[in-house]
Amino acid sequence: AQSVTQLGSHVSVSEGALVLLRCNYSSSVPPYLFWYVQYPNQGLQLLLKYTTGATLVKGINGFEAEFKKSETSFHLTKPSAHMSDAAEYFCAVNKGGGANSKLTFGKGITLSVRP
Amino acid sequence: DAGVIQSPRHEVTEMGQEVTLRCKPISGHDYLFWYRQTMMRGLELLIYFNNNVPIDDSGMPEDRFSAKMPNASFSTLKIQPSEPRDSAVYFCASSFEFNYGYTFGSGTRLTVV
Repeated sequence: AQSVTQLGSHVSVSEGALVLLRCNYSSSVPPYLFWYVQYPNQGLQLLLKYTTGATLVKGINGFEAEFKKSETSFHLTKPSAHMSDAAEYFCAVNKGGGANSKLTFGKGITLSVRP
Repeated sequence: DAGVIQSPRHEVTEMGQEVTLRCKPISGHDYLFWYRQTMMRGLELLIYFNNNVPIDDSGMPEDRFSAKMPNASFSTLKIQPSEPRDSAVYFCASSFEFNYGYTFGSGTRLTVV
């Protein structure tokens, strides 16, 4: 079975500071990995994804994530936080197509940005 | 493209009433997913379809829940009878292929009183 662990439920950073949101996964096969963002009262929006190839993936709004197979991690980072980054962030994994097409989501992390 | 369209955005109903949530996926997307989001349980996959066929409904909590996809452009999630514990935000999402990521709708906030 596959699963996603997002440690902690809340991260608070100052505006301009580094953002680091952690995600670890377990999967018996090479996974496809995703980060989503949810702003208040909205649906989830895809930030970035890793399927194959380059392990450092760049997404929207200046976010990036690195797939580290040896650490089974896919942490999300942004060099400089902006107030507009305050939202909930979800890491997700799936194994592939067909019956394995469904994403398994982590519990989410709420990011707060202090002025 | 207008994205994934869900209706209604908000629904308040009395316990015991039937509730129908609607979803129009993005044209050309072969996969459609129904999720439920609550503070306690986070995001839960209820059911998903591939080419209008239900593939996995193991997340449907009870027989009170049913979902249909009569054609490629429309799906419904029905709760009959509704109960207060069904109160949640219900999301529909669609995807072209499994590794493209999902596009989510804005959700339906259901309140059962």
